Amino acid sequence: AQSVTQLDSQVPVFEEAPVELRCNYSSSVSVYLFWYVQYPNQGLQLLLKYLSGSTLVKGINGFEAEFNKSQTSFHLRKPSVHISDTAEYFCAVMGPPGGGNKLTFGTGTQLKVEL
Amino acid sequence: DGGITQSPKYLFRKEGQNVTLSCEQNLNHDAMYWYRQDPGQGLRLIYYSQIVNDFQKGDIAEGYSVSREKKESFPLTVTSAQKNPTAFYLCASKLGADNQPQHFGDGTRLSIL
Repeated sequence: AQSVTQLDSQVPVFEEAPVELRCNYSSSVSVYLFWYVQYPNQGLQLLLKYLSGSTLVKGINGFEAEFNKSQTSFHLRKPSVHISDTAEYFCAVMGPPGGGNKLTFGTGTQLKVEL
Repeated sequence: DGGITQSPKYLFRKEGQNVTLSCEQNLNHDAMYWYRQDPGQGLRLIYYSQIVNDFQKGDIAEGYSVSREKKESFPLTVTSAQKNPTAFYLCASKLGADNQPQHFGDGTRLSIL
């Protein structure tokens, strides 16, 4: 069975400061990893994905994430946040192949960017 | 524009009533999914379907039913057996290949009157 842990339920940060949202996963097989963003009363929008290859993945809106297999982590980072980045962020793992491609989500991290 | 349309955006249910949430996609995706979102719990999988006329239970299927008669449509019925239906419901779809991401609709918020 797979699981995803997002260690911080809320992360306050000032505008233009860097931010890191933490995600750890557990899986006995190779996985695909995703970060999604959700604005209030909306669906989820894909930020970035790790499928294979380079462990540093760049996504939309200036976000990037690093896959670390030994630490089973997939932390999301942005060097300088903007007010518009205020939203909830979900880390998810997909797998294994042939199992319906189901996603297992973390409980989310609310990023609040303050002036 | 291609996308996933969920309707209605807000839905109210009386006690003992069944309600159906609509999910339509024009992305020609093979697989479709229904999730339930509650505050602080992330998203939990209700049902999913990889091909027409076939679907499987997810982690919290009790009190819900689905059908997949057409590739583009995957309606979810919340039955009276679901004792705590108040939640935000999200529909997703994806292409069939294993490494393709899921894409989400804008959700339906269901409340009990």
